[in-house]
Amino acid sequence: GENVEQHPSTLSVQEGDSAVIKCTYSDSASNYFPWYKQELGKGPQLIIDIRSNVGEKKDQRIAVTLNKTAKHFSLHITETQPEDSAVYFCAASKGSGTYKYIFGTGTRLKVLA
Amino acid sequence: DSGVTQTPKHLITATGQRVTLRCSPRSGDLSVYWYQQSLDQGLQFLIQYYNGEERAKGNILERFSAQQFPDLHSELNLSSLELGDSALYFCASSPEGYIFAGNTIYFGEGSWLTVV
Repeated sequence: GENVEQHPSTLSVQEGDSAVIKCTYSDSASNYFPWYKQELGKGPQLIIDIRSNVGEKKDQRIAVTLNKTAKHFSLHITETQPEDSAVYFCAASKGSGTYKYIFGTGTRLKVLA
Repeated sequence: DSGVTQTPKHLITATGQRVTLRCSPRSGDLSVYWYQQSLDQGLQFLIQYYNGEERAKGNILERFSAQQFPDLHSELNLSSLELGDSALYFCASSPEGYIFAGNTIYFGEGSWLTVV
C-alpha cells in the first residue's frame, strides 16, 4: 500500500551546520510533498512544500529537493539554529481528487549550541 | 496560530468510557481532517469531512466516529476506550475537499487523550 519512509529518526547537529532529512514514497502517482515542523506540545506546521513538476524549492535556510524517478525527496536546513530543534514530518499526496497525506514517521532534530 | 481550534487540550479518562473531541476549522475552510498521533505510529489519517459529508476514511476504528455540523465544526467521538487509544488527536482543515497540489492542510494544536 501507500507508504512514506523517513530517515533518520533522530539527528543531532552543531549549531551552524546543515541538516538533511530524506523521505522515500511508494506511490508513483504522488505529486505533492509538504514538510511539517512540530514543536513540543504544538501541532504540525507547514514549513515548505514542493510539487512534482519542480525539482527544487528554496525558502531562506530551508530547501526541498525531489527526485521523481527515484521517488525520493529531501529537506535541507542550512545554518541551523537552536530554534530549528523540533520533529519534522514529510508527507506525500496524490492531487488527482484524493484527500489525504501519507506521513513519514518523523525525524527528531536537535541543534546543539 | 494556524486558526484551527481544538478542545479540550488535555483529557484523562478511564477504560470503557466515551469522549468527544471538538474542532473548529479555519474560517472559510470546508474540509476537516482528523489524525491520530501516537509514539509508535506517527501521524495516522482517521477521517475527512467536507461541508458536512464524510469524504474519506482512513484507519479509523469502528469504536470511533465523527461528524461535521452545519457550522462546519467537527466532533470526533471515541467510545469503549482502551489503553491503546491514548494519543494526541489532531484536527486539520483546508478550503477544498481535495488536496490539490499546492493546497495544504493546517493543523490545530491537538487534544491529548490519556486512557487509564
